[in-house]
Amino acid sequence: QKEVEQDPGPLSVPEGAIVSLNCTYSNSAFQYFMWYRQYSRKGPELLMYTYSSGNKEDGRFTAQVDKSSKYISLFIRDSQPSDSATYLCAMSDSGGSNYKLTFGKGTLLTVNP
Amino acid sequence: DVKVTQSSRYLVKRTGEKVFLECVQDMDHENMFWYRQDPGLGLRLIYFSYDVKMKEKGDIPEGYSVSREKKERFSLILESASTNQTSMYLCASSFGDGRTEAFFGQGTRLTVV
Repeated sequence: QKEVEQDPGPLSVPEGAIVSLNCTYSNSAFQYFMWYRQYSRKGPELLMYTYSSGNKEDGRFTAQVDKSSKYISLFIRDSQPSDSATYLCAMSDSGGSNYKLTFGKGTLLTVNP
Repeated sequence: DVKVTQSSRYLVKRTGEKVFLECVQDMDHENMFWYRQDPGLGLRLIYFSYDVKMKEKGDIPEGYSVSREKKERFSLILESASTNQTSMYLCASSFGDGRTEAFFGQGTRLTVV
């Protein structure tokens, strides 16, 4: 079983839709969770950073962490064509090597106008 | 804003050449990383550095070396470039104080012919 699983998509939605992106993981030591957005031929850009379980909201984006289920989600409300990108989840533990991130392989999202 | 700058966006090199990829960050981060990103394989860690002159191998260090002579600069060296090193190379940096979120550069698309 891979440490982090992420559905690669592609996911295609109409403008204005609510988008749900998800990752599951197997390492119960993971405590820090991130979502990155990566436009084609560009570097990943940090969108959300959360610690442990719970929700975090930033504008149209909400990150959820359910540690009991080892499941994290990113919700995008009122999706826009400019949200079209690959979304990567990443996580790290709280041990001595917590600077090392484990990434999902990314979900390709297209928002159609 | 955190700025991680990679010296080139696109590079074309010949097989057997020694290739240098440079990365500079302006946030006084302790940790710096080099990843490569390939379709279907996601982000793979090549090397990371947690202090000046300190380095550790990542998951795929073969054929690569690194240098960190100054805190803000981290170089990736391909000793003898091969076609299977054609890839997108991403530099990242992060704080060394328990915060684990990493900030990426814009990427270097390297083609070895």
